[in-house]
Amino acid sequence: DQQVKQNSPSLSVQEGRISILNCDYTNSMFDYFLWYKKYPAEGPTFLISISSIKDKNEDGRFTVFLNKSAKHLSLHIVPSQPGDSAVYFCAASAIQNAGNMLTFGGGTRLMVKP
Amino acid sequence: EAGVTQFPSHSVIEKGQTVTLRCDPISGHDNLYWYRRVMGKEIKFLLHFVKESKQDESGMPNNRFLAERTGGTYSTLKVQPAELEDSGVYFCASSQVVSTQYFGPGTRLTVL
Repeated sequence: DQQVKQNSPSLSVQEGRISILNCDYTNSMFDYFLWYKKYPAEGPTFLISISSIKDKNEDGRFTVFLNKSAKHLSLHIVPSQPGDSAVYFCAASAIQNAGNMLTFGGGTRLMVKP
Repeated sequence: EAGVTQFPSHSVIEKGQTVTLRCDPISGHDNLYWYRRVMGKEIKFLLHFVKESKQDESGMPNNRFLAERTGGTYSTLKVQPAELEDSGVYFCASSQVVSTQYFGPGTRLTVL
């Protein structure tokens, strides 16, 4: 039973436009969410995170939105650049439970076309 | 500051053999984690160390897997004996506090 789901396996956008990557979760105990970017043959690279006490966090071109009632989060990349082409993973953890293990979604492959 | 390092980057072994993977966390990070990605599926948690103690090993698939973290520094993950289904990429991550985890490049294990 997948507790974190990324329903779009791939996404293609034009350079300069907005990329929106979506993630849904089922476990209401999750209270901390992260996005990682992964290039081939490399490990996941941390991008941005958000705590459940917030509904938005912004860092440069990257913004993460959290909708707790819908158990949904999204990553917005504006403007998209060709170097953003990678696989993006959504991850969640239940820090208040001291678990801290990350539960990952299956990933979305983003392709930014020049 | 050096990131998380893993050795080897790639290992090819035959079924029944033993393999040991090593992870060196970011200096000063007490929390160390092992994850595995099998056949392009989602990345799955294996276990969590706090310093030298196992905090959570609920993700370890079976007793063929043994993880250690001597002195609370580097960690090893031994698979003995290896089976075909153990093939995948093994990632190590570390964190200073219970929040953001930083990942190493992974070890790709192929069991023939």
